[in-house]
Formats: sequence, C-alpha cells, structure tokens
Amino acid sequence: QQQVKQSPQSLIVQKGGISIINCAYENTAFDYFPWYQQFPGKGPALLIAIRPDVSEKKEGRFTISFNKSAKQFSLHIMDSQPGDSATYFCAASEPSGTYKYIFGTGTRLKVLA
Amino acid sequence: KAGVTQTPRYLIKTRGQQVTLSCSPISGHRSVSWYQQTPGQGLQFLFEYFSETQRNKGNFPGRFSGRQFSNSRSEMNVSTLELGDSALYLCASSRGGGNYGYTFGSGTRLTVV
Repeated sequence: QQQVKQSPQSLIVQKGGISIINCAYENTAFDYFPWYQQFPGKGPALLIAIRPDVSEKKEGRFTISFNKSAKQFSLHIMDSQPGDSATYFCAASEPSGTYKYIFGTGTRLKVLA
Repeated sequence: KAGVTQTPRYLIKTRGQQVTLSCSPISGHRSVSWYQQTPGQGLQFLFEYFSETQRNKGNFPGRFSGRQFSNSRSEMNVSTLELGDSALYLCASSRGGGNYGYTFGSGTRLTVV
C-alpha cells in the first residue's frame, strides 16, 4: 500500500515530441505529489507538484495530470528537448505528520536531437 | 540563495568503520530529511528532523542515526559500515515538511570497500 509504481523504466523521444511518464499509487491518504528531475552527479530537483484536489497543473512545458479515482498521475513534457534528458522520479507524500516521501523507481528519459 | 550543501561529496570507507555526513539546509528551512539512493532500491527515506526533533524514521537498522542542531544543520552517522551501505546519501530541506516541497542537495557518494 505504500508503493508508488512508475512506468516506463526508460523512454526515448525525438526532439519536439511529447514525453509521458506515469505513476500509480494505492494509499488514498497521500496528499502531495511532486515530480523530480535528476541529472547524473546531481541531487533530484523539484520540477512540479500537485495536490489531490487539482486535476491538472501546468508549468511551462511540464504538466501534471492527476486522476484521483484511478489513483494515477502523470508527467507530460511538451516539446521535449535534448536538455530534458535526465531521470525523472514521481513521489507521494504521506499524510501530514509523517514527513516522508515515497518515490517511484524512476524513468530514464533520452531526447534525441 | 544558497542551496542545500552536503559535505563531503565523496567518501571511501572500509567495512566496519563509521562515517558522519553533514548537511546545511537552505536558510530558513527547519525540516531536514535524509534519503539513501541506490540503483537497486531507488530513493529510500532514512529520517526527518524538525527543530532538533526526529519526527519520522525509515526502515533502516539502528546503525543509521542522525541529529539536527539548533541552526538546523544536520548530520547522519552510519556505524559498522557494510558493503551494502555504498550509496548516494541525499539530504533535503523544506520550510516545514513534505507538503512544502523538498529541495535536495547534490549528495554524498559513500563507497564502502
């Protein structure tokens, strides 16, 4: 019940294409869902986040779609660029009072020039 | 403003030794969390501190411990190192906890030989 399942494990997209990464969770008490981007040799960087009372959030080329009834959320990267090549992690925050993220297993994205 | 600073960046230790890792959070952030990142297990929560109090602990053996100082700086200690402790140890800070979004440092790469 504590897992966050992320897919695909790896993704190759042409420059200008749309990258889509999916995550699913079981614990309906999760109340905050961030996405992180990690480059080699660096720590994860917060990209965008959503709360379960919102179905979609957009920041620049990055959009989170959230489906509460299906317990799924996804990251869409529009107009993907070679600089977006990185590993992406979804996460879910346990309910307030536990202060802990459960991370997905990561998606390695490669955007071809 | 300065990000989350972790020192040292790299460490090589021998089995059986102990190690102390340091983390300086973003100024004004009072919550500090630690995560272990490995290729096999991904990002796993170690513990979280707020105002010098540990509020949550992950499923790691007692050899893993931490503390937070009055200036919010944090340290984690691993005693009796095992080969399996080789990992990237990440520190993250937040204003108050998970729902504010954690900012990660670049990590300390620990290699146990």
